[in-house]
Amino acid sequence: GAGVSQTPSNKVTEKGKYVELRCDPISGHTALYWYRQSLGQGPEFLIYFQGTGAADDSGLPNDRFFAVRPEGSVSTLKIQRTERGDSAVYLCASSLSPSATTGELFFGEGSRLTVL
Amino acid sequence: AQKVTQAQTEISVVEKEDVTLDCVYETRDTTYYLFWYKQPPSGELVFLIRRNSFDEQNEISGRYSWNFQKSTSSFNFTITASQVVDSAVYFCALSENMEYGNKLVFGAGTILRVKS
Repeated sequence: GAGVSQTPSNKVTEKGKYVELRCDPISGHTALYWYRQSLGQGPEFLIYFQGTGAADDSGLPNDRFFAVRPEGSVSTLKIQRTERGDSAVYLCASSLSPSATTGELFFGEGSRLTVL
Repeated sequence: AQKVTQAQTEISVVEKEDVTLDCVYETRDTTYYLFWYKQPPSGELVFLIRRNSFDEQNEISGRYSWNFQKSTSSFNFTITASQVVDSAVYFCALSENMEYGNKLVFGAGTILRVKS
């Protein structure tokens, strides 16, 4: 597809389980971002990749959260030992350039995670 | 620290009315970017505008216009002659990091309901 693709669109899991969320950015976009959006709030930055490397992971809430982008395209956000507070919509975005002067963010529709 | 405040949680208007969405921001930097995004029910955030801190000119794009006032740290968004399709959540956002320009701090959003 032409846009940012995220799977699954919905994930329900039990507290303590492991979850993986996948993001397929727009082809050719080198910059990839993960944001988290809780109900009634704006998105919050989690992590930014430029190519294969995590250039800024300052938004990851704790060490249960980890993300990879091994080949510089698809990225996976991994959450260990999920907690109820992790329930949110996880948004992925990509841009051709990381710079605000030239890079417009294109968002996916998000993966809604519910931890019971 | 950066902060974006959208004081209006929800606004309801009747079709063809004009509506203004308020955005107030806080930043210590003199160089920054401001954004507006639209989030329709599908969940995918759609970029509307980017404005840098050096450019205080107001901008108009069709029925949309933006008023940037550095003196009051505001970046308000007006929709003229609103339509039902404008119903969505609108987010104002700020980026201080010019290199990683898409590491955004979002406001909580304003829900706009346009009734026919």
